[in-house]
Amino acid sequence: LAKTTQPISMDSYEGQEVNITCSHNNIATNDYITWYQQFPSQGPRFIIQGYKTKVTNEVASLFIPADRKSSTLSLPRVSLSDTAVYYCLVGNSGGYQKVTFGTGTKLQVIP
Amino acid sequence: GAVVSQHPSWVICKSGTSVKIECRSLDFQATTMFWYRQFPKQSLMLMATSNEGSKATYEQGVEKDKFLINHASLTLSTLTVTSAHPEDSSFYICSARSEGQGETQYFGPGTRLLVL
Repeated sequence: LAKTTQPISMDSYEGQEVNITCSHNNIATNDYITWYQQFPSQGPRFIIQGYKTKVTNEVASLFIPADRKSSTLSLPRVSLSDTAVYYCLVGNSGGYQKVTFGTGTKLQVIP
Repeated sequence: GAVVSQHPSWVICKSGTSVKIECRSLDFQATTMFWYRQFPKQSLMLMATSNEGSKATYEQGVEKDKFLINHASLTLSTLTVTSAHPEDSSFYICSARSEGQGETQYFGPGTRLLVL
């Protein structure tokens, strides 16, 4: 299983763009990269998923360099409600592969 | 789409009793379901992987006789904590994935268990 490394915590002011980087040096060829958001006492919520280059949806962008050994979640213009823990997961569905949660990044948005 | 529910959302029980937690995929068929446990201020820890119609695969250190998992249908998996003790108090979260959902796991809202 690919292990992921993220910063433990980050602070940001409201309205700023936040970039959270995740390292996954031993990512496998058929692994995807998925980011989740978790609020206290709730299950993780899917944010975005990608395999390579750049993926964008209505809430975030995901940047993946060519070597795929890291990825960066970009949250545009964060608000107080974006205060949460963000997890980067790496895995694939072949043979019912499981994924392992790392420590996650605790993002604190400051007014 | 891709909604996963859990029931109950919270439960308080006496030590020694058993508690069953249900996990349902509401709008897709889940070929695989996962059960996680999360202690305060910690990350999610995978307990077991459940495939429909077959026995669950447990992670190292998770007692299969204590945490009984049944994945009887493509939309339902249950976790039964048998003879619960205070140290089993935790936040239990399930997730579901199907081939049609690609590589994405969709998580339930979690079940808070408090064993007195």
